[in-house]
Amino acid sequence: GQQVMQIPQYQHVQEGEDFTTYCNSSTTLSNIQWYKQRPGGHPVFLIQLVKSGEVKKQKRLTFQFGEAKKNSSLHITATQTTDVGTYFCAGRNSGTYKYIFGTGTRLKVLA
Amino acid sequence: NAGVMQNPRHLVRRRGQEARLRCSPMKGHSHVYWYRQLPEEGLKFMVYLQKENIIDESGMPKERFSAEFPKEGPSILRIQQVVRGDSAAYFCASSLGQVDTGELFFGEGSRLTVL
Repeated sequence: GQQVMQIPQYQHVQEGEDFTTYCNSSTTLSNIQWYKQRPGGHPVFLIQLVKSGEVKKQKRLTFQFGEAKKNSSLHITATQTTDVGTYFCAGRNSGTYKYIFGTGTRLKVLA
Repeated sequence: NAGVMQNPRHLVRRRGQEARLRCSPMKGHSHVYWYRQLPEEGLKFMVYLQKENIIDESGMPKERFSAEFPKEGPSILRIQQVVRGDSAAYFCASSLGQVDTGELFFGEGSRLTVL
């Protein structure tokens, strides 16, 4: 079945450092979404990528979708303590409605 | 404009009892997903429903678990004869159902503890 892996599993950074999480799917995706889940909270939608090679930016966050539509990345510039949480990618195959979530990357930011 | 509402937020059951988790989607949303999350782990897809229809239940265990989304009322995830391994957070998400703009709006989750 479809698998979506993320690396790293954990990342500790000093406040102000950059952070990147990578997402890899075993199948070609129709689109990919990114979510953030704060400790004890629920996933909150960040962005959706649809086109091959697409790059989108939200303030300090940059999202990329690979040319083959099998991988994606999220890069945070100059992390802040408010960036703490687990970041999940979620991929959908063409012809289906279900989103398969990645394994997640837990980010801790040290002040 | 209420978001996705889940209840109960916390539920404690003894082994062998039944658990019923409810999810009211956002207003205007007719598509509901259920996901399960174990502590420190990711979200595992369970089932995707539209009003009165189960579209994809490929993530549901074959026994003891069932889901419905009736024409009126909330979606319900039912777990019969619960076991300790069922202890988890169960998240419901709703969407407009438009595939190209299928942002999922999550509820705050129902945390099930089986004693």
